[in-house]
Amino acid sequence: AQSVAQPEDQVNVAEGNPLTVKCTYSVSGNPYLFWYVQYPNRGLQFLLKYITGDNLVKGSYGFEAEFNKSQTSFHLKKPSALVSDSALYFCAVSSFTGGGNKLTFGTGTQLKVEL
Amino acid sequence: EAGVVQSPRYKIIEKKQPVAFWCNPISGHNTLYWYRQNLGQGPELLIRYENEEAVDDSQLPKDRFSAERLKGVDSTLKIQPAELGDSAVYLCASSLVPAASGNTIYFGEGSWLTVV
Repeated sequence: AQSVAQPEDQVNVAEGNPLTVKCTYSVSGNPYLFWYVQYPNRGLQFLLKYITGDNLVKGSYGFEAEFNKSQTSFHLKKPSALVSDSALYFCAVSSFTGGGNKLTFGTGTQLKVEL
Repeated sequence: EAGVVQSPRYKIIEKKQPVAFWCNPISGHNTLYWYRQNLGQGPELLIRYENEEAVDDSQLPKDRFSAERLKGVDSTLKIQPAELGDSAVYLCASSLVPAASGNTIYFGEGSWLTVV
């Protein structure tokens, strides 16, 4: 079975400071890792994904994530946070199950960026 | 290009009543998913379609939930009868075929159900 852990329910950061949202995963075989963001009363928006290749993945809105196979982690980062980044962030892992992809999500981390 | 379209966005019903949600995936996406998201939780897969075929419905509560995807495009998710615990956001999503691992799954805005 595959699973994702997001150890922090909430992360607070001052605008302009770097941010990190943590994610660890468990999956058989090669992991395919995703980050999604959810704004209030909205659906999930895709931010970035890791499939293979360079461990540092760049995505939308200045976000990036680093894949670390030895630590089974895929932490989301941004060099300089904005108040508009405040939202709920989900990490997800995919596996080749039954001939197709199936996303398993973590419980989410609420990011709050303050002035 | 239009994204995944869902309706209705919000629905309030009394328990024991039926409810249906509709989804139109991104054009060309043959894989369609229904996820349920409870308050404060991550989404959980209910059912996945490849074209018209439901290839993973192991998490769908079949005593009260049903889904269909006639003609391999639009899909409908139905709950009958609804229970208080069904209050959640029902998310539809789609991805390209071939459904190899790593394909990005795109989500709609969700249908927010409140059962009273």
